[in-house]
Amino acid sequence: QVQLVESGGGLVKPGGSLRLSCAASGFTFSDYYMSWIRLAPGKGLEWISYIITSGSAIYYADSVKGRFTISRDNAKNALYLQLNSLRAEDTAVYFCAKHSSSWSFDYWGQGTLVTVSS
Amino acid sequence: QSALTQPPSASGSPGQSVTISCTGTSSDVGGYNYVSWYQHHPGKAPKLMIYEVSKRPSGVPDRFSGSKSGNTASLTVSGLQAEDEADYYCSSHAGSNHYVFGTGTKVTVL
Repeated sequence: QVQLVESGGGLVKPGGSLRLSCAASGFTFSDYYMSWIRLAPGKGLEWISYIITSGSAIYYADSVKGRFTISRDNAKNALYLQLNSLRAEDTAVYFCAKHSSSWSFDYWGQGTLVTVSS
Repeated sequence: QSALTQPPSASGSPGQSVTISCTGTSSDVGGYNYVSWYQHHPGKAPKLMIYEVSKRPSGVPDRFSGSKSGNTASLTVSGLQAEDEADYYCSSHAGSNHYVFGTGTKVTVL
């Protein structure tokens, strides 16, 4: 069965950096686009970024463009998100999600919590 | 890109129906038939309930249905059950390879 397991979250100071990972199993990872999506306290889900199968095309929400970097390693079945210049408003649970063929996300991980605070 | 607008809460008794609206613009909900709905029990992985406006993934009960009219999509849960109590989010393709989510609706089963 499809499994997505995020890791790497934690407490970081404003301006700091963090690298999140998502380990994928149960499907042919290299065949699917992947996204990062976050859920901030008291707010709704927010799509952050997606990467195509080869990694040659990447898209970001305006709120994170220039600060976050998505990448993938198809040999390791892994998705990554590098978070730089973190702000308090980046505090959230970060989910990785597998794209379906129809502009939706058919499998999600349980998320990893990032807290940005001094 | 602004979030899609959903009511903060909705409720119903077991066996009743509840409908959640999701209002966007012609640049997202109204412009594409790529609206999806997700159920989220806090602390767990969100689950895809509806895709392409009204299609159900395998394993999702037919009590869940979706529709769209203009810039507003809707999710209806019929025959409410206790396990349906959760947060629900809509999402839409928003052009330029972007996605937008709704503000979320907490469904309570009375």
